[in-house]
Amino acid sequence: DTEVTQTPKHLVMGMTNKKSLKCEQHMGHRAMYWYKQKAKKPPELMFVYSYEKLSINESVPSRFSPECPNSSLLNLHLHALQPEDSALYLCASSPHRGSGANVLTFGAGSRLTVL
Amino acid sequence: GQNIDQPTEMTATEGAIVQINCTYQTSGFNGLFWYQQHAGEAPTFLSYNVLDGLEEKGRFSSFLSRSKGYSYLLLKELQMKDSASYLCAVMDSNYQLIWGAGTKLIIKP
Repeated sequence: DTEVTQTPKHLVMGMTNKKSLKCEQHMGHRAMYWYKQKAKKPPELMFVYSYEKLSINESVPSRFSPECPNSSLLNLHLHALQPEDSALYLCASSPHRGSGANVLTFGAGSRLTVL
Repeated sequence: GQNIDQPTEMTATEGAIVQINCTYQTSGFNGLFWYQQHAGEAPTFLSYNVLDGLEEKGRFSSFLSRSKGYSYLLLKELQMKDSASYLCAVMDSNYQLIWGAGTKLIIKP
């Protein structure tokens, strides 16, 4: 299995809703990432988990809450989002962190629209 | 600050060759990556360079000059399916990926 699976593919939510994005990989990777991508822009790093511990939080607002239940799963809990949070949310995994040839494998993304 | 520059958009003809350039200024260097991203899809890995020189992989090649802070991605025998954005990313001294804004490549018949 060489894939990163993200669900749902599309999500529409109101500003008062609570929802979650899910990500799963079975490649034995020990680093997992959440990125946010707006149209025609590069991915922006949000969070990095290394060996199931949060190692990087790029000053992301608390309305985004990551969770890594085990080495294969990564969730992003969403609450009280703003319309400007509408974007493509990409999950990625890599064998580990801390070395150069650390290729990220991306999931297909979850397209989020906040009304 | 850290900066990666690549052209915003390029146009090429099916069957031709195109070179997409990337220049970078980063805090340290632990390798340069090229990713391809079709509209609305996830980025997919194309190449990794950490030493100077050319890496060839089928129709795609990537070149790196660390002294010049410069890389290019060379695509040969262009096909319509190569229409996509091409993202250059550099891994800095903290092993963080710094992304360029991407180059949108349009292939015309």
